[in-house]
Amino acid sequence: DAGVTQSPTHLIKTRGQQVTLRCSPKSGHDTVSWYQQALGQGPQFIFQYYEEEERQRGNFPDRFSGHQFPNYSSELNVNALLLGDSALYLCASSYRGIRTYEQYFGPGTRLTVT
Amino acid sequence: SQQGEEDPQALSIQEGENATMNCSYKTSINNLQWYRQNSGRGLVHLILIRSNEREKHSGRLRVTLDTSKKSSSLLITASRAADTASYFCATDAPSGGSYIPTFGRGTSLIVHP
Repeated sequence: DAGVTQSPTHLIKTRGQQVTLRCSPKSGHDTVSWYQQALGQGPQFIFQYYEEEERQRGNFPDRFSGHQFPNYSSELNVNALLLGDSALYLCASSYRGIRTYEQYFGPGTRLTVT
Repeated sequence: SQQGEEDPQALSIQEGENATMNCSYKTSINNLQWYRQNSGRGLVHLILIRSNEREKHSGRLRVTLDTSKKSSSLLITASRAADTASYFCATDAPSGGSYIPTFGRGTSLIVHP
């Protein structure tokens, strides 16, 4: 049973460029959440997707957008990259049918913006 | 701002000792979860405690929750070098009918062999 997978593992982009990160949820899960974790900080919630719609959103600008596909996988897109977008981006999946929202995290994508 | 705040920020102990980390939060919660993160990798879910529970055990882990004080503690007994990691608490803050996990900055635990 595969857990949450993310690609790519590492990514280096230039300021102003656009980036797409990908996530496949754990088998049986239908909800995907994205987090940004800056160095030395806890993960910050970006948004959550369920039934192919953005359900909740954290305090992130519109440059951050996402998508969920019918197979529950998800993408995170960041436009007009800033140096401050350098971080570890974590994807987490859960099953919305249970109230406790226990999440399983992927290994993350390390994004460096130069 | 952070909903949950862990204390201490860093903890260094010898193998075999117990490690205690605390988490304080600000608003009412549905449940509280503890996670471990090894060296900037993905988070591993350790334990979930519901708002109507006061204590929960899982192996060498013991979690307590005091909703009147809005605080939780994670105790790792008989620590091992492999327990070296960052530990985060996450609270489910109500938001538009759903619950969004909000993480603190974490406690960095180093267990010396």
